[in-house]
Amino acid sequence: AQSVTQLDSQVPVFEEAPVELRCNYSSSVSVYLFWYVQYPNQGLQLLLKYLSGSTLVKGINGFEAEFNKSQTSFHLRKPSVHISDTAEYFCAVSLITDSWGKLQFGAGTQVVVTP
Amino acid sequence: DAMVIQNPRYQVTQFGKPVTLSCSQTLNHNVMYWYQQKSSQAPKLLFHYYDKDFNNEADTPDNFQSRRPNTSFCFLDIRSPGLGDAAMYLCATSQIGGFGEKLFFGSGTQLSVL
Repeated sequence: AQSVTQLDSQVPVFEEAPVELRCNYSSSVSVYLFWYVQYPNQGLQLLLKYLSGSTLVKGINGFEAEFNKSQTSFHLRKPSVHISDTAEYFCAVSLITDSWGKLQFGAGTQVVVTP
Repeated sequence: DAMVIQNPRYQVTQFGKPVTLSCSQTLNHNVMYWYQQKSSQAPKLLFHYYDKDFNNEADTPDNFQSRRPNTSFCFLDIRSPGLGDAAMYLCATSQIGGFGEKLFFGSGTQLSVL
């Protein structure tokens, strides 16, 4: 079985500062990796995904993530955050052998951006 | 334009009173999912449909049922809601046939149980 660990439950950050959200996973088979964002009282929106190829993935809203197979990590970064980036961020994995595309989510990281 | 629509946005029910949550999609995707997300927790998959084939997760309580009368609609029925069933319920869709298709999520229905 696979699992996803988000090491930080909450990350406070000042506006225009960089932010990194950490995600580690474990799986006996290869996985696809995703980051989703959830704004208050809304559903989840895909930020970016890693399927194959370049390990540096760029997503929407200026976010990027780097897949590190040896460290089984998929950390999310943004060089300069805005107040509007305040949200919950979920890392997720999907087994490449799973044709249903089911997602296993991490517990989430709450990002709070202050002026 | 909304592609996965969940109604209602907020639902209040009484302990033990059956409740139905609805989801519709305009994407014509063949897979529809229901996730349960309790406060400050990760979304947890309850079940999914591939076309009309129903797939239940092993740890989904029997209290939760689902119906998919056609491609566009999917319903979540909670037969006898308990206080522990209060949560955000998220519907999602995807199209099987490629690699790692992303899921399209609705905005969710926040269920309160009194």
